[in-house]
Amino acid sequence: DTEVTQTPKHLVMGMTNKKSLKCEQHMGHRAMYWYKQKAKKPPELMFVYSYEKLSINESVPSRFSPECPNSSLLNLHLHALQPEDSALYLCASSHIRLGPEAFFGQGTRLTVV
Amino acid sequence: GNSVTQMEGPVTLSEEAFLTINCTYTATGYPSLFWYVQYPGEGLQLLLKATKADDKGSNKGFEATYRKETTSFHLEKGSVQVSDSAVYFCALSRNQAGTALIFGKGTTLSVSS
Repeated sequence: DTEVTQTPKHLVMGMTNKKSLKCEQHMGHRAMYWYKQKAKKPPELMFVYSYEKLSINESVPSRFSPECPNSSLLNLHLHALQPEDSALYLCASSHIRLGPEAFFGQGTRLTVV
Repeated sequence: GNSVTQMEGPVTLSEEAFLTINCTYTATGYPSLFWYVQYPGEGLQLLLKATKADDKGSNKGFEATYRKETTSFHLEKGSVQVSDSAVYFCALSRNQAGTALIFGKGTTLSVSS
């Protein structure tokens, strides 16, 4: 099983809304990542969690708030977003010791109106 | 710093043509190298990988060889199909726990019948 599951697949939210993106994996991976991808661009790293602790924050605005409640789950809480935050948000995971490759979910297509 | 450079697209080919997408990298130490593929509206899928010099990664008819002397990891396929139409990303990892991938800008491949 090399599956990373993201929900929802699509999300439309207003600039005053609060919403959350969810990511789940059952591969025993202890590193999990959030990436943001704009159209025709490569993914941009937002956050990295290692052993459920935030290890990298790529200077992401505070309107994005990550959370890792356990080793299988990763959330991204969204609040007061701007239209330019509309993008594909990708979750990924990797096994810290067995190999560096990351496995990606299908992404959440977010539209901020 | 670490970086990945890949040929700009789009690459347009006829079915059964030979494919090469060039990728070169700059990195300290001995990174692992990857090719990911992204089909329209989907997340990234790991296509192949190589973790040390002279390794050849292969999958679904695609191949790439880790060339340390030329710092390259070019993607090749002998006979492309319409279903190969997608965006291809070359990436590297520094092989440290919980470090994220560094991506090239992506190359769009369009195959016509």
